[in-house]
Order: sequence, then structure tokens, then C-alpha cells
Amino acid sequence: SSELTQEPAVSVALGQTVRITCQGDIVRSYYVSWYQQKAGQAPVVVIYGKDIRPSGIPDRFSGSSSGDTASLTLTGAQAEDEADYYCNSRDSSGHHYVFGTGTKVTVL
Amino acid sequence: QVQLVESGGGVVQPGGSLRLSCAASGFTFSNFGMHWVRRAPGKGLEWVAVISYDGSNKYYADSVKGRFTISRDMSKSTVFLQMNSLRADDSAVYYCAKDNWNYDWYFDLWGRGTLVTVSS
Repeated sequence: SSELTQEPAVSVALGQTVRITCQGDIVRSYYVSWYQQKAGQAPVVVIYGKDIRPSGIPDRFSGSSSGDTASLTLTGAQAEDEADYYCNSRDSSGHHYVFGTGTKVTVL
Repeated sequence: QVQLVESGGGVVQPGGSLRLSCAASGFTFSNFGMHWVRRAPGKGLEWVAVISYDGSNKYYADSVKGRFTISRDMSKSTVFLQMNSLRADDSAVYYCAKDNWNYDWYFDLWGRGTLVTVSS
């Protein structure tokens, strides 16, 4: 299967920690990247490769992976982190790509 | 300035055609694969198509295969998406994205998107 399943929605109190998961068989084969999309804006990559953060992305974002599940952890959530988050990977063919179902993060 | 700028969106009737463009600047266009990704209203991101850095390989999502064609013009640093036989469920904001490699492929630069509405 080339599907990636995420929690539809999570909420986190300001300054607290939240983890978003991305589950699928293809996570065992490929590195997952993570994208943040705020309302009305284009997606932005926040984690790629072997859990690498692009320059300009705060270090409160971190990634990890184990077995068939990849995770994005937000440590010390800020109001500006409220957004939709998507994981992405190549599919089993290696030539197509699949996005996770998406997680809406609300910061309380 | 490193950027991608999409254009060509609009309102089209079911069964119609539309051609999207994505103009790249600020990087060596011929070195990178380019993708189209869309987001329909109330839905999540959906990968649509990719063209390799030299244009020799193209791959499509099953939902658009046979109807959409991706291409690139190196002289204009532009990638295109020709969309034919459009359906209502093709309505979405279409983004172009540049790929990059670090342990695996990822999308490191996105445009702001262009809106396509398929409606009679």
C-alpha cells in the first residue's frame, strides 16, 4: 500500500509539545518529508531527509521515524505554528509521490 | 530572487482545457526536477505530476494520467501543465514545486499557486 495516514486534527496548549504521526508501509523504504501549510499560503518544507530542518525553520520542529511510522514533533508550540501539516514520500513504484492525509494543528 | 510563479488558472467548463505555467527564477532551472501539486477545496495536498531535470522522464498520478501533460522549456525556465478533459474534481489550487535531494527527494521551493475552477 502507498497510503500515508495522519491524525485529522490535534490541539496543543501554547508552549506544550505535540507529535503528529504518518503511518504507512512506504515509510519503511523511503525518507519522509514534512510540510506546513498555513491558511491561504503555499506549503513550506519543515523537515526532510534524515530529519533535517531547513534554514529558517525553528528548532522546535523535529522529525523521527521507526518502522512504518514517521513523526513530526513540535516542542514548545507557538501561535504561529497553527497550520495544516502533511507528510510526503515516494510511493512503492519509486517514481510517484504521495502525501499523507494531513493534520490540522490548533494551538490553544 | 529564488521563486516560482504560477499563472494560467481560471474558470473552465467540464470537458475543457487549460494550460498552467510556472516561471522559475534565481536558480539553475535545468538542474532540478519540477512537480505540480494541487489542493482541492476542503481536501488535502495531492501530488499531480513530475518532470525530470532534463525533461526525459515524466510521471503522473493515476487521477490525471492520460488527461494532463507536464512539459518544460529550458530557454524560458518554465514548466507547464496542459490539462485536458477537465472534470469538476480537478478544481483546486495548483502549485508548482522544485525538488531537491538529501537522503531522498523533497520539495524545497513552492509557488503561491493558481486557482482552477471547473464548472458549468
